[in-house]
Amino acid sequence: GQQVMQIPQYQHVQEGEDFTTYCNSSTTLSNIQWYKQRPGGHPVFLIQLVKSGEVKKQKRLTFQFGEAKKNSSLHITATQTTDVGTYFCAGRNTGFQKLVFGTGTRLLVSP
Amino acid sequence: DAGVIQSPRHEVTEMGQEVTLRCKPISGHNSLFWYRQTMMRGLELLIYFNNNVPIDDSGMPEDRFSAKMPNASFSTLKIQPSEPRDSAVYFCASSTGQVSSGANVLTFGAGSRLTVL
Repeated sequence: GQQVMQIPQYQHVQEGEDFTTYCNSSTTLSNIQWYKQRPGGHPVFLIQLVKSGEVKKQKRLTFQFGEAKKNSSLHITATQTTDVGTYFCAGRNTGFQKLVFGTGTRLLVSP
Repeated sequence: DAGVIQSPRHEVTEMGQEVTLRCKPISGHNSLFWYRQTMMRGLELLIYFNNNVPIDDSGMPEDRFSAKMPNASFSTLKIQPSEPRDSAVYFCASSTGQVSSGANVLTFGAGSRLTVL
């Protein structure tokens, strides 16, 4: 079945440093979504990418969808303590509603 | 909008007992999803419904698990009998949109944390 892996599993940075998480799917995706889950909370939708090679920005966050639509990345510039949490990518195969979540990257930011 | 509402938030039960988790999706959302989250296995999709009809239950672990959606505003996930390995956070999520659009965004509830002793 479809598998979505993320690396790294965990990253600890100092406030102000940059952070990147990578997402890789075993199959070609119709679109990819990113969610953030704060400690003790629930996943919250951040953004969706649909087009091959698409890049979207939300303030300090930059999201990219690979040309082959099998990988994606999330880059955070100058992390803040409010960025702490686990970041999940979630991919969907063409024609199916089923959304498969990646393994997640847990980010810890020290002040 | 109150969002997706789940109950109970926390449940502690003994092995062998029946557990029922409840979910009220956002009004107007026509798709409902049940996920289970554990440290070892991450976020797993158990089952999802579209217009109250189960579409894919391939993620349901075994016959001890069952899910129903009797109407557009209510769903249950039942575990009978429960086992310690069922301990996890169970999330319900809902979304709007057609199956073919592939553009559905999930809104998650706060989750139900289940501990089976």
